[in-house]
Amino acid sequence: GENVEQHPSTLSVQEGDSAVIKCTYSDSASNYFPWYKQELGKRPQLIIDIRSNVGEKKDQRIAVTLNKTAKHFSLHITETQPEDSAVYFCAASWDQAGTALIFGKGTTLSVSS
Amino acid sequence: DAGVIQSPRHEVTEMGQEVTLRCKPISGHDYLFWYRQTMMRGLELLIYFNNNVPIDDSGMPEDRFSAKMPNASFSTLKIQPSEPRDSAVYFCASSPQVPHTEQYFGPGTRLTVT
Repeated sequence: GENVEQHPSTLSVQEGDSAVIKCTYSDSASNYFPWYKQELGKRPQLIIDIRSNVGEKKDQRIAVTLNKTAKHFSLHITETQPEDSAVYFCAASWDQAGTALIFGKGTTLSVSS
Repeated sequence: DAGVIQSPRHEVTEMGQEVTLRCKPISGHDYLFWYRQTMMRGLELLIYFNNNVPIDDSGMPEDRFSAKMPNASFSTLKIQPSEPRDSAVYFCASSPQVPHTEQYFGPGTRLTVT
């Protein structure tokens, strides 16, 4: 079955720096790759997603890249701010509809001012 | 819409007791998911439903866990008997019948089994 590895598990950056989180997946049939942000004590919320027919997607300060050949995808946050501090989860779909997800273990991002 | 609603928000119970967690998905959403979150294992999908029908329950850890969705607006996750290792935050999420779309999570139920 599908397996998703996420690195690093923790990441500390200074405000204004960039942050990169990387994930790999095992099932070449996966076709949907969302990223969720979870603030302390809160629920996970989608911040960006990418489908397998797209190589890159941007939304203001965040971007996601996908390399289907290598089976890895990455989250890039530029000009980090203290409010970006949270746990970030990558996920990959394992069903045809891109509905059922398997999540990575998460990356705790700390942005210090 | 109020979003996904879960109850209770916190549950403390003794080992061996039955625990029932409840979820009301967003109206009009056809998919409902139950997740368990722990520090060690992260966010794990336990079971999911489409139009009230269980599609995959391979993530349900043991026979002690069961889930039902009697109608489009209500689902339960039951643990009987509960054990200390079941302590976790249990999230319910829902999504519409659209491929590659956002799952909307509820606030979660923090379960502590002593």
